[in-house]
Amino acid sequence: AQTVTQSQPEMSVQEAETVTLSCTYDTSENNYYLFWYKQPPSRQMILVIRQEAYKQQNATENRFSVNFQKAAKSFSLKISDSQLGDTAMYFCAFTPYDYTGANSKLTFGKGITLSVRP
Amino acid sequence: KAGVTQTPRYLIKTRGQQVTLSCSPISGHRSVSWYQQTPGQGLQFLFEYFSETQRNKGNFPGRFSGRQFSNSRSEMNVSTLELGDSALYLCASSPRGTVGNEQFFGPGTRLTVL
Repeated sequence: AQTVTQSQPEMSVQEAETVTLSCTYDTSENNYYLFWYKQPPSRQMILVIRQEAYKQQNATENRFSVNFQKAAKSFSLKISDSQLGDTAMYFCAFTPYDYTGANSKLTFGKGITLSVRP
Repeated sequence: KAGVTQTPRYLIKTRGQQVTLSCSPISGHRSVSWYQQTPGQGLQFLFEYFSETQRNKGNFPGRFSGRQFSNSRSEMNVSTLELGDSALYLCASSPRGTVGNEQFFGPGTRLTVL
């Protein structure tokens, strides 16, 4: 079974600064996908960024980037130039690779509440 | 393209009743997954349907069930409601249900059991 751990329940950052959200996971799988999802106060969950475990290069999406350390089973999210709209709950999630597509369920961490201060 | 829609958005029930929640995926998406979100347990996977077949099931009692129709719309049913079933129920759809595909979430149905 896979587990995803987000040990920081809350974080706060000043607007325009950089913040890093931590995530660790445990799995015996060698190939898998990792995700960061954002859930703003309106509750609609959206995908922020995705990392494929077999790719060594860290994924980036505009102001969002990850630091993926496969050996350490660590997957942190860095948000640069934080904006007020980044205020949300952020979830780290894992899904194992399965070429049949039969196992697409996401295992989520508990989430971290990020507040961006003006 | 319209997003994932869930109805109703809010629901209040009493213990022992049953409830049916509905999810309409994005047009063309064939995989629908359901998740339960609570402050204590976080987000937990309930089940996934693909082409009207349940492909995966989480660790929930048999009171939780679901189905998917030929148009990919999905319903989940909870029978004999308990106080602990109070939660936000999220539905997510993806194009083919293959690994690594982004899952698109709906706004959720907030269920309160009194």
